[in-house]
Amino acid sequence: GAGVSQTPSNKVTEKGKYVELRCDPISGHTALYWYRQSLGQGPEFLIYFQGTGAADDSGLPNDRFFAVRPEGSVSTLKIQRTERGDSAVYLCASSLTGGASYEQYFGPGTRLTVT
Amino acid sequence: GENVEQHPSTLSVQEGDSAVIKCTYSDSASNYFPWYKQELGKRPQLIIDIRSNVGEKKDQRIAVTLNKTAKHFSLHITETQPEDSAVYFCAASGAGGFKTIFGAGTRLFVKA
Repeated sequence: GAGVSQTPSNKVTEKGKYVELRCDPISGHTALYWYRQSLGQGPEFLIYFQGTGAADDSGLPNDRFFAVRPEGSVSTLKIQRTERGDSAVYLCASSLTGGASYEQYFGPGTRLTVT
Repeated sequence: GENVEQHPSTLSVQEGDSAVIKCTYSDSASNYFPWYKQELGKRPQLIIDIRSNVGEKKDQRIAVTLNKTAKHFSLHITETQPEDSAVYFCAASGAGGFKTIFGAGTRLFVKA
C-alpha cells in the first residue's frame, strides 16, 4: 500500500516568508508526527497528533510554528516569518494506535531552505 | 528535559566483524526503545525495538539489550555486511511509543 507522502519535496523560501508543508499519512493511522532533522543530527520531535487534536506540541520551537490536522488525516506544518535557522529536512511519520506495534513510518521529508 | 545520548558518533568495522552502538536516556518514564536505520538521502526505517518489560531481543543478525536500572540500551550487529553501512539512531519514548526522542546518530561504515 501507499506509504507516508510529503509535499513539496524541496522548498526554497526567502527569510521572513510563510511556508506550509504537507503530510499524507498511511490510511488508517491515527497518530501523526512531525520532526525536524538538521544535517548530521537525529530527528527532533516537534508535535504529534491523535486524530484531529495535537496530543503533544512541546517540541515546537516557538510560536512561529503551528500544525493542523483538521480531518484526522492530512496534516500541514506552518512556519511564519521564516528564519535561516529553520533550514532543515522536515519529516512526517504516522503510526497505528492501540496495536501491537508502535512502529512509526516516515515520509521522505521536505527539505526547507531559507535564504 | 528528555535527552538521549548516543555513542559513538562514527564507527568503522571490517566486514564480518560485530558493531555495537550504545545509548543512554534521561527520562525514567521511557518504556519503548526503537532503533532506526537511515541510508543516505532516505527516510529512517525501524530495524528493531524493545519494550521495558524485556531485557533483550534478537532478530537474525541484530540484537538489542536494555538495562532500565542504568537507563541504557545497546544495538549489536553481528557478521556485518557492506549493506549495513548507514546512520543508526536510537530513540526513547513513553507508553504507546508516541513522543519520541532520538539520539544524534551513529554513522556505521562496513569495509569490504
